[in-house]
Amino acid sequence: RKEVEQDPGPFNVPEGATVAFNCTYSNSASQSFFWYRQDCRKEPKLLMSVYSSGNEDGRFTAQLNRASQYISLLIRDSKLSDSATYLCAVTNAGNNRKLIWGLGTSLAVNP
Amino acid sequence: EAQVTQNPRYLITVTGKKLTVTCSQNMNHEYMSWYRQDPGLGLRQIYYSMNVEVTDKGDVPEGYKVSRKEKRNFPLILESPSPNQTSLYFCASSPLQGSSPLHFGNGTRLTVT
Repeated sequence: RKEVEQDPGPFNVPEGATVAFNCTYSNSASQSFFWYRQDCRKEPKLLMSVYSSGNEDGRFTAQLNRASQYISLLIRDSKLSDSATYLCAVTNAGNNRKLIWGLGTSLAVNP
Repeated sequence: EAQVTQNPRYLITVTGKKLTVTCSQNMNHEYMSWYRQDPGLGLRQIYYSMNVEVTDKGDVPEGYKVSRKEKRNFPLILESPSPNQTSLYFCASSPLQGSSPLHFGNGTRLTVT
């Protein structure tokens, strides 16, 4: 089993739709969680850190479920500009606190 | 402007010709890292550095070297590039490894023929 897994998609949704992605992680001792957005052939950019109590930033909501070992990203009222690949990243529990990356979920928002 | 700067953006070279990809950050970050990204394999860490003169291997270090003589710079060196090193490379930095988000450079697309 991979340490961090994401459904690769692609998710094709119409503008205005609500879409949710999950990212599962295997190490129960993982401590930090992030969602990044990556546009085609460009660098990943931080979208949100994920906090234990869940957090929201405009149309985006991130949640952490420690019991089931996954994080989620909810996008409300999808825009065309939300089309991208969404990467989750989780720190391992070792001394170096290394970031482990998912392969990403591809989202296409259609007019 | 806070940023991570990589150069060059695009590079085409031939097998065996040594090359260096530069990376510089202006945020006084302790931690810097190099990744390569390939279709179906995602981001894989090549080397990282926790501080000046401290570097460690990541998941795919073979064929690469790095140095961290100054806090701001973390060059990636390919002593004898091979076609399997054709990839998209990203440099990244953060204040601390793991607990802080990474700031990425805008990437170097390397082709080795």
